[in-house]
Amino acid sequence: KAGVTQTPRYLIKTRGQQVTLSCSPISGHRSVSWYQQTPGQGLQFLFEYFSETQRNKGNFPGRFSGRQFSNSRSEMNVSTLELGDSALYLCASKRLAGSTDTQYFGPGTRLTVL
Amino acid sequence: KNEVEQSPQNLTAQEGEFITINCSYSVGISALHWLQQHPGGGIVSLFMLSSGKKKHGRLIATINIQEKHSSLHITASHPRDSAVYICAVPYSGGGADGLTFGKGTHLIIQP
Repeated sequence: KAGVTQTPRYLIKTRGQQVTLSCSPISGHRSVSWYQQTPGQGLQFLFEYFSETQRNKGNFPGRFSGRQFSNSRSEMNVSTLELGDSALYLCASKRLAGSTDTQYFGPGTRLTVL
Repeated sequence: KNEVEQSPQNLTAQEGEFITINCSYSVGISALHWLQQHPGGGIVSLFMLSSGKKKHGRLIATINIQEKHSSLHITASHPRDSAVYICAVPYSGGGADGLTFGKGTHLIIQP
């Protein structure tokens, strides 16, 4: 069974631009979560989607948004990029909503903002 | 929001040593996760546990729900165990989705 895939793997943008990252969960998984990892703050929760609905959201500004499609694929968007948005963005999938289920992480998208 | 404290932040040990990493959290949870991250970023889920103890090979994870504390042990450590180990709990506690993470323990096992 294929794992979680994320595209693109690497991305370079300039301040003020916007970016869209994509995540394809493991087949049959309907829950997708997004996380940001930086050297200073570590791993932080962005949001979680299940059946096309956002179920929970972390403490990030409204410039960070996401959505999930009917095939469970998910995208996250960051508008008006800032230097501090440079990070590794990870998504993780699991079969069902609810925390008593193993999350499987993708390889991440490394975003650099210049 | 659940808060997670993990210790130690850095640990260097000799091959064969017994390793313990500790994790404490602030809000009652339904399950706690131990994750492993190697250089390059890939994260692997090692354990998810809600009570007692789990064992997988040389790795053992324990949790005390009343004390809001978990430990990850590595027996007979090996250089290939060198990685960052991260404890994670539900972001909002209970059964809510999304995880909040400890800062991680950077483990180096020297031959």
